[in-house]
Amino acid sequence: AQSVTQLDSQVPVFEEAPVELRCNYSSSVSVYLFWYVQYPNQGLQLLLKYLSGSTLVKGINGFEAEFNKSQTSFHLRKPSVHISDTAEYFCAVLNTGFQKLVFGTGTRLLVSP
Amino acid sequence: EPEVTQTPSHQVTQMGQEVILRCVPISNHLYFYWYRQILGQKVEFLVSFYNNEISEKSEIFDDQFSVERPDGSNFTLKIRSTKLEDSAMYFCASGGGGGRNQPQHFGDGTRLSIL
Repeated sequence: AQSVTQLDSQVPVFEEAPVELRCNYSSSVSVYLFWYVQYPNQGLQLLLKYLSGSTLVKGINGFEAEFNKSQTSFHLRKPSVHISDTAEYFCAVLNTGFQKLVFGTGTRLLVSP
Repeated sequence: EPEVTQTPSHQVTQMGQEVILRCVPISNHLYFYWYRQILGQKVEFLVSFYNNEISEKSEIFDDQFSVERPDGSNFTLKIRSTKLEDSAMYFCASGGGGGRNQPQHFGDGTRLSIL
């Protein structure tokens, strides 16, 4: 069975500082990986995805993530965060044999001035 | 940009009543999904729907739940005889025709409160 682990439930950071949100997954087969963002009282918005090819993927709002197969990780990074990046971030995995997304528990990013 | 729309945004229902949550997926998408998020917990898969039938469902999706695509545009989730533990945010998602690995696009959710 697949699983996704987001070790940090909350990450406080100052504006314009860099940030990394960690995601590790477990799966016995090939996977597709996604990061979604959830702003207060809104749905899940796709930030970026890894399907194949280059292991460094760039998404919206200046975010990027690197797929590391040997470490089974897909950490999300941004070199300089804004107040508006305050939100909940979810890592998710899609098993190539199935259709359902399996989500991590989420990381709340808190950006302060 | 096309989006998934869900109605209502908030539904309050008495325990034991039936509730129908409605979704309009992105028009050219072929795969449809329901997920739920109990307050403070992770987003959980409920069911996927393709070619007018359920293609996969989780253990949460028991006989109390059903899905339907009644008219080619709406995608509904029905919960019969609601229980207190059904209180959650329910998200509809749809995926493109490029295959099952294409990103799923989510609506803003329906917050279901069972009293």
